Amino acid sequence: QSVLTQPPSASGTPGQRVAISCSGSSSTIGRNTVNWYQQVPGTAPKVLIYNNNQRPSGVPDRFSGSKSGTSASLAISGLQSDDEADYYCAAWDDSLTGWVFGGGTKLTVL
Amino acid sequence: QVQMRQSGPGLVKPSQTLSLTCAISGDSVSSKSAAWNWIRQSPSRGLEWLGRTYYRSKWFSEYAASVKGRIAIKPDTSKNQYSLELNFVSPGDTAIYYCAGDHSSGVSWGQGTLVTVSS
Repeated sequence: QSVLTQPPSASGTPGQRVAISCSGSSSTIGRNTVNWYQQVPGTAPKVLIYNNNQRPSGVPDRFSGSKSGTSASLAISGLQSDDEADYYCAAWDDSLTGWVFGGGTKLTVL
Repeated sequence: QVQMRQSGPGLVKPSQTLSLTCAISGDSVSSKSAAWNWIRQSPSRGLEWLGRTYYRSKWFSEYAASVKGRIAIKPDTSKNQYSLELNFVSPGDTAIYYCAGDHSSGVSWGQGTLVTVSS
């Protein structure tokens, strides 16, 4: 069981907006920043969002991140077929003294 | 742009030592604003942080409780890289291993190395 909680699946149609939630605690998201990763099966995770809402260069502004209290959210607008992937949230855990991850959300574009 | 390049064997025998190296370009392993991590991924455990090393006027290493006692993460300043050693491996250590740098301009991951523990 993962320290951060994500829904196992999400879906949307092309052009739609979808949001993926990530729930933590006071020792994780409550005190530290959140990163979001996109992983296409067979490849390494790719950073989409770091420090809650920062996008690395090359990541489209269709991807956005937010944080409130002990929860965070990744929003994807203008959904495209190649957005189909697994999405993971991550944060530092002050209690465990290490990074912790969500269990991943499989996004399907219908 | 910070890039990470992993190297090391993909097959290790049970009870032996798993050794991987991660070469850094675009930043310094001795940077006082970065930390250099190892993470693994398997179907049974998901993404699991193993540990990190970082420099803040002196070197620090921190490890996950699940592997503490049989792990070492060490910097190599002469080659601008860092390494992972995991001792006494068992089939449960079979996973894709990633290095990942947490630095001032974000987070960068290596390409991953599938390590299989088998005789």
